[in-house]
Amino acid sequence: DTGVSQDPRHKITKRGQNVTFRCDPISEHNRLYWYRQTLGQGPEFLTYFQNEAQLEKSRLLSDRFSAERPKGSFSTLEIQRTEQGDSAMYLCASSLVTGGDETQYFGPGTRLLVL
Amino acid sequence: GESVGLHLPTLSVQEGDNSIINCAYSNSASDYFIWYKQESGKGPQFIIDIRSNMDKRQGQRVTVLLNKTVKHLSLQIAATQPGDSAVYFCAETDFGNEKLTFGTGTRLTIIP
Repeated sequence: DTGVSQDPRHKITKRGQNVTFRCDPISEHNRLYWYRQTLGQGPEFLTYFQNEAQLEKSRLLSDRFSAERPKGSFSTLEIQRTEQGDSAMYLCASSLVTGGDETQYFGPGTRLLVL
Repeated sequence: GESVGLHLPTLSVQEGDNSIINCAYSNSASDYFIWYKQESGKGPQFIIDIRSNMDKRQGQRVTVLLNKTVKHLSLQIAATQPGDSAVYFCAETDFGNEKLTFGTGTRLTIIP
């Protein structure tokens, strides 16, 4: 499978714990995005990377959230001191921005439940 | 039929019939639009896209129509199949602004 992959697919944690999610983009895609999706809503943008540089962060990304893409390939999203309101599906997408193609391809998501 | 409020708008269509899903987008500066299909427990799947210099684009069994005057986007699915049952989202962005802004979504149910 050469699509976007995410790990883990499901995570249950207790309030106050830290969690880390991983995203592996489509090979050679230079942009990587993180979105959050709550039940019944469309995905909401969190942040994105061009290669290893984090170029934009949403106001949704509080200081408890941090994302990295150290080598311009896979990315991690960490949530510290989780709260019940963090429960959501965390989606990763990637794109290859050359020649004007901006299509973002999504992974299967990591569903987080904070108890 | 449709429901509003906390529930997704819904559309039920008989298998084999055509369906039309509508979307009102918010940003008049948006120049790139995408339709995604999302099945339960999965990430959004790209269906078709259209740029603002076009008003219609066709794919396999799908057609997207864009009306910039009223900021309206629609997705037509021809000869619907049970596998078309999913939630459909429209998304918009403008060139140079990499983040996608998603609409509320419409749940399409194909009745066998």
